[in-house]
Amino acid sequence: EAGVTQSPTHLIKTRGQQATLRCPPISGHTSVYWYQQALGLGLQFLLWYDEGEERNRGNFPPRFSGRQFPNYSSELNVNALELEDSALYLCASSLIGRNTGELFFGEGSRLTVL
Amino acid sequence: AQRVTQPEKLLSVFKGAPVELKCNYSYSGSPELFWYVQYSRQRLQLLLRHISRESIKGFTADLNKGETSFHLKKPFAQEEDSAMYYCALSNPQFYFGTGTSLTVIP
Repeated sequence: EAGVTQSPTHLIKTRGQQATLRCPPISGHTSVYWYQQALGLGLQFLLWYDEGEERNRGNFPPRFSGRQFPNYSSELNVNALELEDSALYLCASSLIGRNTGELFFGEGSRLTVL
Repeated sequence: AQRVTQPEKLLSVFKGAPVELKCNYSYSGSPELFWYVQYSRQRLQLLLRHISRESIKGFTADLNKGETSFHLKKPFAQEEDSAMYYCALSNPQFYFGTGTSLTVIP
């Protein structure tokens, strides 16, 4: 099935460290979304990038940041990791940034903070 | 502000019974609404969108602007329908509900 390929699939870090997650969008897609999926909390919106620009960010502290590169690939960085950052981080790309379009999700990066 | 509410975290039905997963939204304009599904060990994927007005895997969803609802329905549940279901609104940013875990009991 179609979807983005996130990396790494699993990541184990300790408190205070930094984590970097990567998301290359499907070819031709210009929009990338990041979500945090913690147990029992559903999908929490983190960031939305479109054509290289940050369009919106969710209600997360500034230590959650990211960027989108000229090839539309995206990175999510989490600094000063805390235990509650342990979650599945999902990325999705979309063909149409300014109009509605289907989101194609990755399988996620499982971050564990010890 | 945009919001998507799925009041049921867990829903269990017997095989062959009708199933309805509720979704309510708040949005001042004309929303684009979707249902996404996540089967066990699979990635989140689109189930259906309201503009298509189609039935996918026997599921349908009708947009009721008066009640601001977009409930997902299926007349006869199957075991393979057991999954996590998310309602979503796009403007164009996507807003997801908290999800409903559906279990179909054999």
